[in-house]
Amino acid sequence: SAVISQKPSRDICQRGTSLTIQCQVDSQVTMMFWYRQQPGQSLTLIATANQGSEATYESGFVIDKFPISRPNLTFSTLTVSNMSPEDSSIYLCSVESGDNEQFFGPGTRLTVL
Amino acid sequence: SQKIEQNSEALNIQEGKTATLTCNYTNYSPAYLQWYRQDPGRGPVFLLLIRENEKEKRKERLKVTFDTTLKQSLFHITASQPADSATYLCASANDYKLSFGAGTTVTVRA
Repeated sequence: SAVISQKPSRDICQRGTSLTIQCQVDSQVTMMFWYRQQPGQSLTLIATANQGSEATYESGFVIDKFPISRPNLTFSTLTVSNMSPEDSSIYLCSVESGDNEQFFGPGTRLTVL
Repeated sequence: SQKIEQNSEALNIQEGKTATLTCNYTNYSPAYLQWYRQDPGRGPVFLLLIRENEKEKRKERLKVTFDTTLKQSLFHITASQPADSATYLCASANDYKLSFGAGTTVTVRA
């Protein structure tokens, strides 16, 4: 199993600003994933972040809006850029265990005013 | 396009009864399906994985089935308890990338 922490746990931001969310894992992992969960909805994959390579974005998500860093095997950041109220969501990171299980962080609840 | 759907948004049951949740997929054949539990304000927690060549899998009071003919997975919580109240998500994987259903919120009444 993996223990994942995220910072911040929640934030309230003004329109047009950016927020960087940190994800820390207690073990080295190859693949990390970032998801968005909009109010009352299920999770949608934003991108896959592998150490040493550019993140791979899913349809509807672009690097300019959601730049991702993956400097080492235990850490990743997701930035939500030029925020609008539509970006209000819970953002979650996850890692794959090697046995097809995924472990999720507690999430970052973002509110954009 | 690939779709994964959970039919019921909410399920209310009496303590001690069995809760049965449905997950259907269309336009693809996943190699495996997963079930997660999500409590309010928390990230999903992995419960069970069932592969396409497995008919059934159990873990304590949980049972999952996978019917590739019906393109369906059923998730059962037997002898349900109020502590089982949560949202349950099914997910399919494509190269480790998960696609989630909308979830079914289960409420177990004491």
